[in-house]
Amino acid sequence: DQQVKQNSPSLSVQEGRISILNCDYTNSMFDYFLWYKKYPAEGPTFLISISSIKDKNEDGRFTVFLNKSAKHLSLHIVPSQPGDSAVYFCAASGILGTYKYIFGTGTRLKVLA
Amino acid sequence: NAGVMQNPRHLVRRRGQEARLRCSPMKGHSHVYWYRQLPEEGLKFMVYLQKENIIDESGMPKERFSAEFPKEGPSILRIQQVVRGDSAAYFCASSPPPAGGYNEQFFGPGTRLTVL
Repeated sequence: DQQVKQNSPSLSVQEGRISILNCDYTNSMFDYFLWYKKYPAEGPTFLISISSIKDKNEDGRFTVFLNKSAKHLSLHIVPSQPGDSAVYFCAASGILGTYKYIFGTGTRLKVLA
Repeated sequence: NAGVMQNPRHLVRRRGQEARLRCSPMKGHSHVYWYRQLPEEGLKFMVYLQKENIIDESGMPKERFSAEFPKEGPSILRIQQVVRGDSAAYFCASSPPPAGGYNEQFFGPGTRLTVL
């Protein structure tokens, strides 16, 4: 039972354009969401997070949007750069076990120069 | 400022052998988490430890797997009598004590276990 889903295994975007990565979740008990970036042969690196009391959080080129009614979040990267090419994982945690991150399967982003 | 360190980075074992994976958390972090990533899948939570305490091991297989985080030294994930299905990337993460109920977990580079 996949509680956090990233339905697009891959995405290609031209340099300078916007990258939009999507994530859906099924458990309404989740109230904290995170995005991690992962390069090959490295561990995931934290990017940005959002709690359920907000619907948007912005950090530089990265913005996360949360739509609680749709149980959907998205990560926007503007403008996209070749160095952003990586696998992006969304993760969720909840009131019961805030330390237990539930990860999606990842989306491989390729930014074309 | 060293991040989370894991060793070895690559480990090859034959079926039936034991695998020991080590994790040194970031300086000042007293909470350690282990995750496993199977090919083409996301990371799956295995266990959460504090120094000398297992807080939650609900993601650990019931047999052959164990974890510890002693007072001194790294956290160890131990897999006894490995089978081919144990082949995966094992990631360790660490965090300071959660603030306001939430925290950011900082991940190590992972150990890639291959069972022949």
